[in-house]
Amino acid sequence: QSVLTQPPSASGTPGQRVTISCSGSGSNIGSNTVNWYQQVPETAPKLLIYSNDQRPSGVPDRFSGSRSGTSASLAISGLQSEDEADYYCAAWDDSLNGPVFGGGTKLTVL
Amino acid sequence: QVQLQESGPGLVKPSQTLSLTCTVSGDSISNSRYYWSWVRQPAGKGLEWIGRIFSTGRTHSNPSLKSRLTISVDTSKNQFSLKLTSVTAADTAVYYCARQRAPYYDSSGFWAWYFDSWGQGTLVTVSS
Repeated sequence: QSVLTQPPSASGTPGQRVTISCSGSGSNIGSNTVNWYQQVPETAPKLLIYSNDQRPSGVPDRFSGSRSGTSASLAISGLQSEDEADYYCAAWDDSLNGPVFGGGTKLTVL
Repeated sequence: QVQLQESGPGLVKPSQTLSLTCTVSGDSISNSRYYWSWVRQPAGKGLEWIGRIFSTGRTHSNPSLKSRLTISVDTSKNQFSLKLTSVTAADTAVYYCARQRAPYYDSSGFWAWYFDSWGQGTLVTVSS
């Protein structure tokens, strides 16, 4: 069982906007920043969002992140077929003194 | 840009030791801005942080694995390694090495960090 809670699945049609939620606690999301990773099957995760809402170079601005209290969310606007992947949230956990992950959300583009 | 590559046996017998090495290119493992970490992912499941090492050799491990885990670094070879003892089928997973930005206070005053580069991953199966 993962420390951070994500919905197991999400879906949308091309062009739509979808959001994926991530819930934690005071020792992780509540006091530290959240990162989001995109994982296409059979490949390594790729950093999508860091420090709650920052995009690394090369990540389209269709992807955005936010954090409030002990929850965070990832929004994808203008959904494209290549966005079909698994998405993981992650946060530093003060109790663990290390990162914890969500269980992942499988995004399907219908 | 930085590249990481895992290497090691793909099959380990139960009760034996799993050993993997990560070779880093494009960055020095002595770069003080980064930790060097291991993350694993059982088939069809989520990601689990295993542990990290700093270039000085200081380590920190997930408590769930700490008693079986050793992480070491060889700065001369720009490599870091993982040894997990007494493995069981539950240790079967894809193992990734990753570069982790050492935590810092971002512009909003929050404790920020991230994995910014990953190896391709290596499947380790525990089976007799």
